[in-house]
Amino acid sequence: RKEVEQDPGPFNVPEGATVAFNCTYSNSASQSFFWYRQDCRKEPKLLMSVYSSGNEDGRFTAQLNRASQYISLLIRDSKLSDSATYLCVVNRGNTGFQKLVFGTGTRLLVSP
Amino acid sequence: DTGVSQDPRHKITKRGQNVTFRCDPISEHNRLYWYRQTLGQGPEFLTYFQNEAQLEKSRLLSDRFSAERPKGSFSTLEIQRTEQGDSAMYLCASSISPGRTSGNTIYFGEGSWLTVV
Repeated sequence: RKEVEQDPGPFNVPEGATVAFNCTYSNSASQSFFWYRQDCRKEPKLLMSVYSSGNEDGRFTAQLNRASQYISLLIRDSKLSDSATYLCVVNRGNTGFQKLVFGTGTRLLVSP
Repeated sequence: DTGVSQDPRHKITKRGQNVTFRCDPISEHNRLYWYRQTLGQGPEFLTYFQNEAQLEKSRLLSDRFSAERPKGSFSTLEIQRTEQGDSAMYLCASSISPGRTSGNTIYFGEGSWLTVV
């Protein structure tokens, strides 16, 4: 079993739709949590950090449930430019450094 | 461009040859990481440097792999006697210690694509 599990998709949605991605992680010692976005054949880029209290950045909302070891990302009013792979990431490092563990990613395709 | 820089961006090599990738981190970033990403998978951690010290290595980093960061600035990742299974994108990333104004966000380079034929 992978340490970070995600549905690979693809999720095909029309413009304007709301779409939700989930992931689960197995290591309860994980320190911090993120969503990264990766375009085809490009490097991953940080989309947002994820906190237990939930956090929002424009059309994006992320949520962490430590008890269930579950992380979610909600995208409202999808845009064509949101088409990408969304990587769920946990940091297993100690305070000395960040050791990021990535899920396989969930592919999103937004169509006109 | 002041981001993480990697060179070469693409490399095709014959099985058994050695290859070396270079990474120049963001200036003043004391932490440097190497990751590997194969098709359909997320990036996997390979190794981590703080300044010139290599502080952690993944079990994925076999004896054929060696990474260095001799002066605490740029880093190299060498793969000896390449195998077809080494074909992947090799990502370098850098960050700064927590507590500094930039926080500890990890910034990735554009990656070096390796194809072993």
